[in-house]
Amino acid sequence: NAGVTQTPKFQVLKTGQSMTLQCAQDMNHNSMYWYRQDPGMGLRLIYYSASEGTTDKGEVPNGYNVSRLNKREFSLRLESAAPSQTSVYFCASSEGWGVYTEAFFGQGTRLTVV
Amino acid sequence: QQPVQSPQAVILREGEDAVINCSSSKALYSVHWYRQKHGEAPVFLMILLKGGEQKGHEKISASFNEKKQQSSLYLTASQLSYSGTYFCGTEMKGGTSYGKLTFGQGTILTVHP
Repeated sequence: NAGVTQTPKFQVLKTGQSMTLQCAQDMNHNSMYWYRQDPGMGLRLIYYSASEGTTDKGEVPNGYNVSRLNKREFSLRLESAAPSQTSVYFCASSEGWGVYTEAFFGQGTRLTVV
Repeated sequence: QQPVQSPQAVILREGEDAVINCSSSKALYSVHWYRQKHGEAPVFLMILLKGGEQKGHEKISASFNEKKQQSSLYLTASQLSYSGTYFCGTEMKGGTSYGKLTFGQGTILTVHP
């Protein structure tokens, strides 16, 4: 049982390059999330998808796009990477909301933009 | 709207107690607590719902004051394994906020022998 799988685990990009972070969950969860984690800033929500077919902005969506490809997969795209996007990115999923919002996290993607 | 946690850091000796607080300026539907070890992903500890329902996995307790939109995590008789960064996550009430989980900045807990 893999849970939440993120790829890649590490990535170095040059400023202006684009890339897509992949996330897949095998728990049949409805909701999926993308967070970024920076020192002293906690986990900040970039985008989330409350259910298949819907996506909404979180606290820090600028410079990112997302796609909920199907119920299992939720990708995060950086169209033109900037050094300010250097961070650790976590994907998470949950069954739903309220008591079902227990979030399961992937192992993270450490992204460096030079 | 990130919730605000306090304190930012706590240092304990094994066996001591600690309280971590989390507050929000918005009406909350649920409060979550997670712990993250260095270099690892956050792991769920507990969820508290408006109305008092609670679900948790470990011998760590928490409270949720709905009137003040505040939650506190109580770690008693701390163990070395309690070391890590604790995050509160909040789900606000109303409209499209259900299912939107936002986190505080974290509280670093260090337990020494």
